[in-house]
Amino acid sequence: KAGVTQTPRYLIKTRGQQVTLSCSPISGHRSVSWYQQTPGQGLQFLFEYFSETQRNKGNFPGRFSGRQFSNSRSEMNVSTLELGDSALYLCASSPDGTGAYGYTFGSGTRLTVV
Amino acid sequence: EDKVVQSPLSLVVHEGDTVTLNCSYEVTNFRSLLWYKQEKKAPTFLFMLTSSGIEKKSGRLSSILDKKELFSILNITATQTGDSAVYLCAASYAGGTSYGKLTFGQGTILTVHP
Repeated sequence: KAGVTQTPRYLIKTRGQQVTLSCSPISGHRSVSWYQQTPGQGLQFLFEYFSETQRNKGNFPGRFSGRQFSNSRSEMNVSTLELGDSALYLCASSPDGTGAYGYTFGSGTRLTVV
Repeated sequence: EDKVVQSPLSLVVHEGDTVTLNCSYEVTNFRSLLWYKQEKKAPTFLFMLTSSGIEKKSGRLSSILDKKELFSILNITATQTGDSAVYLCAASYAGGTSYGKLTFGQGTILTVHP
């Protein structure tokens, strides 16, 4: 079955702009989690969505937001971009987000803010 | 604060060597310990360990969890250049308080020379 699909693969944005990233989970998976990966901080949890509801949120400012659609696809939005938002953004798919079945990651979106 | 610590942070070996990667954790409501291999972008799943003392094996890779001492090891025997990657361990959570969340270690960068 198809894996986790993230688009776009690469993005270059200017400070102050906003950006939207997309994640399509494995078919049948209803939970999508988002992570930010940077050389200094490693992989950090942003938030998780299940059945169009955000159930969990990490310690990121309100500029980071997301949503999930009825087909389980999820989008993540970052507003008022800062240079420090440059990172690899990964999403993870799981059947229910409980951790019982593990998590499958997409290939990520590399965001560069200039 | 939940914490996952990996050691060593980097390791350089020659083909054919055996390596042991370490992961210790201090996590409330711990469910499982997961190992991932990250070569370019997508972390790819290796193992999920939930029970203590039961070794999981996949080819030349094996892993075990010690829930009393709060650590896990990942062993790779007869290393090959294709094993060069960042190896990540992560803790998942039980109960309904941390849906979709993994807490990651910093990663171990493994370099295998021919």
